[in-house]
Amino acid sequence: GGIITQTPKFLIGQEGQKLTLKCQQNFNHDTMYWYRQDSGKGLRLIYYSITENDLQKGDLSEGYDASREKKSSFSLTVTSAQKNEMAVFLCASSPGTGDTGQLYFGEGSKLTVL
Amino acid sequence: AQSVTQPDARVTVSEGASLQLRCKYSYSGTPYLFWYVQYPRQGLQLLLKYYSGDPVVQGVNGFEAEFIKSNSSFHLRKASVHWSDSAVYFCAVLITGNTGKLIFGLGTTLQVQP
Repeated sequence: GGIITQTPKFLIGQEGQKLTLKCQQNFNHDTMYWYRQDSGKGLRLIYYSITENDLQKGDLSEGYDASREKKSSFSLTVTSAQKNEMAVFLCASSPGTGDTGQLYFGEGSKLTVL
Repeated sequence: AQSVTQPDARVTVSEGASLQLRCKYSYSGTPYLFWYVQYPRQGLQLLLKYYSGDPVVQGVNGFEAEFIKSNSSFHLRKASVHWSDSAVYFCAVLITGNTGKLIFGLGTTLQVQP
């Protein structure tokens, strides 16, 4: 089996700050995702990547940047954190091009902006 | 528009009782459907999936779901719940031809009372 590791698990930032979340997977999966989970709003796709150095925008990409420099890692940057923002960011991976719909998720990174 | 609706935000049942969590989808293409579960402080895990064939699919831990095309539904069922089934359950539909983009419902929180 494999595992997805997200760091940090908890991130506290200030308004306007640039914040970066990291994700590592050892499944050797090609496709990786970043989802944002808000209470009452379900999961929304921010960015995904089907291979190293590939980036595809999801429904919620504004205000975020992503980077896939290696097959095993996928990072997400909040370009300017919004005051009172609180959400959980979930990283996931999937074999192949991801068209099976079978995603493997990390435990999440919880963001709080003061 | 593509969407997934889970009409019940929260469901409470007694241990040993039967369970049905409702899911309806709106998607113009061939629906590939999923149920994911999120236990406290964990990422999402795949519970079961439907691609084609037998409309009743079996998942882990005694869960099953039935695809009813005429009703655009994919309800999740379990004959007898256990306290450890307490979690958040997400229904999702795969947008095919788009490298694995899943549209998630808002989730249903299941509370199993002893």
